[in-house]
Amino acid sequence: AQSVTQPDIHITVSEGASLELRCNYSYGATPYLFWYVQSPGQGLQLLLKYFSGDTLVQGIKGFEAEFKRSQSSFNLRKPSVHWSDAAEYFCAVGPPNNAGNMLTFGGGTRLMVKP
Amino acid sequence: KAGVTQTPRYLIKTRGQQVTLSCSPISGHRSVSWYQQTPGQGLQFLFEYFSETQRNKGNFPGRFSGRQFSNSRSEMNVSTLELGDSALYLCASSRTGGVADTQYFGPGTRLTVL
Repeated sequence: AQSVTQPDIHITVSEGASLELRCNYSYGATPYLFWYVQSPGQGLQLLLKYFSGDTLVQGIKGFEAEFKRSQSSFNLRKPSVHWSDAAEYFCAVGPPNNAGNMLTFGGGTRLMVKP
Repeated sequence: KAGVTQTPRYLIKTRGQQVTLSCSPISGHRSVSWYQQTPGQGLQFLFEYFSETQRNKGNFPGRFSGRQFSNSRSEMNVSTLELGDSALYLCASSRTGGVADTQYFGPGTRLTVL
């Protein structure tokens, strides 16, 4: 069965510092990979997604993620964090054969930003 | 254009009761998926509907059911509520229902079971 692991439950960074959130997946083939963000009281917003091709993916709000097949990882990065980035971040995988859109989510990483 | 709307936003029920949650997708979207979010289990897929047909179902008991109407609006129903059903229920819509198609999430319905 597919699974997604986000090893860091909480991360605190200073405003302006760089950020990397880790995501590891377990799947028989290369799945579709996603990063979502959830602000308090809000639903999920898609930051970026990877299906194939270039392993460095650009997303919204200055985020990027790199797919590394050898490490089964899809880490999210941002060069300079803003206070408004404080939220919970979820990595997710979808079935590789495009059979439906059910996502399997990681447990999430809560990001706190220090002024 | 309007986003995904979910009603009600908050709901309090007691054990044994049943509840119906509603989701209105973005105009033109034919796929609606439901997820349950709890502190202990995280985000879990419930089911997906496309053109009034359930295409996929997650690992939830039969007390959880859903349906989709011809206008793509969807409802989910939970019968015989248990304390563990307290959660944020999220609905997401997409145009085609393919995994490559971006899913847009609503703000959720927070259900509290007493």
